[in-house]
Amino acid sequence: AQSVTQPDIHITVSEGASLELRCNYSYGATPYLFWYVQSPGQGLQLLLKYFSGDTLVQGIKGFEAEFKRSQSSFNLRKPSVHWSDAAEYFCAVGAYDMRFGAGTRLTVKP
Amino acid sequence: KAGVTQTPRYLIKTRGQQVTLSCSPISGHRSVSWYQQTPGQGLQFLFEYFSETQRNKGNFPGRFSGRQFSNSRSEMNVSTLELGDSALYLCASSGTSGNTGELFFGEGSRLTVL
Repeated sequence: AQSVTQPDIHITVSEGASLELRCNYSYGATPYLFWYVQSPGQGLQLLLKYFSGDTLVQGIKGFEAEFKRSQSSFNLRKPSVHWSDAAEYFCAVGAYDMRFGAGTRLTVKP
Repeated sequence: KAGVTQTPRYLIKTRGQQVTLSCSPISGHRSVSWYQQTPGQGLQFLFEYFSETQRNKGNFPGRFSGRQFSNSRSEMNVSTLELGDSALYLCASSGTSGNTGELFFGEGSRLTVL
């Protein structure tokens, strides 16, 4: 069965610092992987997705993620965090029945 | 292009009642999925509809049901409400019929059960 693990419930970084959010997945075949962001009171917005091809994926708002099959990981990165990046981030795997991780809440310190 | 619209945005019910939530997908999208989001359980998949047919269903009791109309609008219903049904219910639409469709989410319907 497909599943997603986000090991970090809460991360705090200083504005301007780099960010890496971890995601590990379990999937029986080639995974379709996604990162979504949710601001308070809002729905989820897609940051980026991986289906096949280049394992380094670029997304919106300066985010990127790298698919590593050997580690079953799809970590999200950003070189310099902005205060507006404070939100909840969800990794997801699948298609018709997309499965989400528990989420990582990002706090940005001034 | 209008996004995914969910109504109502907020509602309060009491235990034992039933509730119907509505979702209008992005124009042209034929797939609609429903998710329940709670602080304890996170985002859990309820079901997905494509062209009025339920293609996939999550692990929820039969009190949770849904349907999709010919115009792709979808409704979900929860009968005999329990306190644990309090949650944000998110609807998402997708434009593809294949396995690679990204989901476009609405802002959700927040249900409180008293």
